[in-house]
Amino acid sequence: DGGITQSPKYLFRKEGQNVTLSCEQNLNHDAMYWYRQDPGQGLRLIYYSQIVNDFQKGDIAEGYSVSREKKESFPLTVTSAQKNPTAFYLCASSPMALAKNIQYFGAGTRLSVL
Amino acid sequence: QQQVKQSPQSLIVQKGGISIINCAYENTAFDYFPWYQQFPGKGPALLIAIRPDVSEKKEGRFTISFNKSAKQFSLHIMDSQPGDSATYFCAASMVSGTYKYIFGTGTRLKVLA
Repeated sequence: DGGITQSPKYLFRKEGQNVTLSCEQNLNHDAMYWYRQDPGQGLRLIYYSQIVNDFQKGDIAEGYSVSREKKESFPLTVTSAQKNPTAFYLCASSPMALAKNIQYFGAGTRLSVL
Repeated sequence: QQQVKQSPQSLIVQKGGISIINCAYENTAFDYFPWYQQFPGKGPALLIAIRPDVSEKKEGRFTISFNKSAKQFSLHIMDSQPGDSATYFCAASMVSGTYKYIFGTGTRLKVLA
């Protein structure tokens, strides 16, 4: 079954704690993305990666970090520097072929602050 | 220049009616315009997409109309059904380059039975 798997589905963070959200894809896609979704604000890009061991900041990267050690994995760490982390986090991937600029999304992780 | 403006924010339509959601963009370098459908607690899924070399694309009850000169595109849902109740996002990107999407702010559609 091909797709994008995000885990956990729900996550709670204590103040001052770093938490890591997992994103794995078996679609053999080159590019992977992390978005944050807040009510009424659409999807905002946090980080993206087009190749292993390389990634770029999106529009709201402050307080977040990522790694891309394997093509199929793109974990997101929400650090203690992110003062308002409560949101729905979505991971996506795309093949980066000229005629196939389609992003496929995982089911999301809902992060809340305790 | 990188924004995509989407309207309305919410929409209520009777079953069998036509739902229309509009988006406008500024950057003329955008050349790929997808629409995504998202149900509560789920990730968005691609519904339909268009490139600027055509003015309309239809897939079943869903149609995208594209006006290149006005830099606007819209989603029409014909014969709207309660199962269409979801949030819809438009987006714009450049097929060449970074492949990043710029998303609209979303439209919450409710179709009344």
